[in-house]
Amino acid sequence: AQSVTQLGSHVSVSEGALVLLRCNYSSSVPPYLFWYVQYPNQGLQLLLKYTTGATLVKGINGFEAEFKKSETSFHLTKPSAHMSDAAEYFCAVSDGSYKLIFGSGTRLLVRP
Amino acid sequence: GAVVSQHPSRVICKSGTSVKIECRSLDFQATTMFWYRQFPKQSLMLMATSNEGSKATYEQGVEKDKFLINHASLTLSTLTVTSAHPEDSSFYICSAARQGGAEAFFGQGTRLTVV
Repeated sequence: AQSVTQLGSHVSVSEGALVLLRCNYSSSVPPYLFWYVQYPNQGLQLLLKYTTGATLVKGINGFEAEFKKSETSFHLTKPSAHMSDAAEYFCAVSDGSYKLIFGSGTRLLVRP
Repeated sequence: GAVVSQHPSRVICKSGTSVKIECRSLDFQATTMFWYRQFPKQSLMLMATSNEGSKATYEQGVEKDKFLINHASLTLSTLTVTSAHPEDSSFYICSAARQGGAEAFFGQGTRLTVV
């Protein structure tokens, strides 16, 4: 069975500050890990994904995440927050079958 | 890129009626499509997996007679909410995957309101 835990339902940062959104997973098989962003009343946009290979994954809009097997984590970071980054972020895990198990989501607020 | 389109984006229906939501893969053939449901301020919960030409596989707790899924072609899956009730009001999102692809692509979602 697989599961995802996102710590912090809300994260607030100042514009220009570091963004850190936490994600821990549980999986009995090598996981595929994803981060998605959702704007209000819209679908999901893929930010980045880890399947195999390099553990530091770079995505769109300056985001990156590092797969740490020993910590079962896949935290999302961005060096400098922009106002346009304010949205809901979802971490997800799969076993490679396209079927995604989502975390509960983290709402990122960016203060001017 | 791979584009998945959902229609309609918003729908309001009366209690007791049925509503159909379409999910189309516009530029690729989707062997598998997924339907998710998202309650306000909550995460996405997988409802069912549909494979072209076969019956959908429903997740535990999802009523298959209430949420009818049809995947009649490699570019179209439909979700029909039958005899809708206000508690069915939600945001429904589909995703589509092509065989051998690395990921599934999401539609823009459908906001269903049952009054």
